[in-house]
Amino acid sequence: AQSVTQLDSQVPVFEEAPVELRCNYSSSVSVYLFWYVQYPNQGLQLLLKYLSGSTLVKGINGFEAEFNKSQTSFHLRKPSVHISDTAEYFCAVKGPNFGNEKLTFGTGTRLTIIP
Amino acid sequence: DSGVTQTPKHLITATGQRVTLRCSPRSGDLSVYWYQQSLDQGLQFLIQYYNGEERAKGNILERFSAQQFPDLHSELNLSSLELGDSALYFCASSVEGGTYEQYFGPGTRLTVT
Repeated sequence: AQSVTQLDSQVPVFEEAPVELRCNYSSSVSVYLFWYVQYPNQGLQLLLKYLSGSTLVKGINGFEAEFNKSQTSFHLRKPSVHISDTAEYFCAVKGPNFGNEKLTFGTGTRLTIIP
Repeated sequence: DSGVTQTPKHLITATGQRVTLRCSPRSGDLSVYWYQQSLDQGLQFLIQYYNGEERAKGNILERFSAQQFPDLHSELNLSSLELGDSALYFCASSVEGGTYEQYFGPGTRLTVT
């Protein structure tokens, strides 16, 4: 079974400052990792994913994440945030079993951008 | 717009009642997933269907059931509703094989009074 820990429930950041949202996972097998964003009163939108290959993954809206197998982490970063980035961010993990595609989500990090 | 549609958007009902939530996946997607998002439990996987067959089951209560129809739309049935069932219910869909991206619908907000 897999699990995900998002240590920060809330992260306030000034506009145009960099941000890092932390995600650690636990699994006895190889995993696939995802970051989703949920804007107020909306569904979840995929920001980026790591399946294999390069450990640095670039996503939409200027976000990127780095997969670190030794530290079992998949932290999300953005060099300069905007007001429009205010949202809840979820890290998720999926195991390698073909046909069982369920995502296990972390508890989420609420990113608040301060003007 | 993810291409996944869910109806209704909001649902208010009383304890003990039964409701049906509907989901239409993206065109071409064979897998449908149901998730529940609540303040105390977070985002929890409920159940997955692939081309009409149940593929995986998560933390789904016995009072809840789901099915996927030949046209691939899915319904989640919630019965004997309790206050604690109040939550946002999301449907997601994905293409089977070679990709692991799930596209989420806008959700149905269920309020049990």
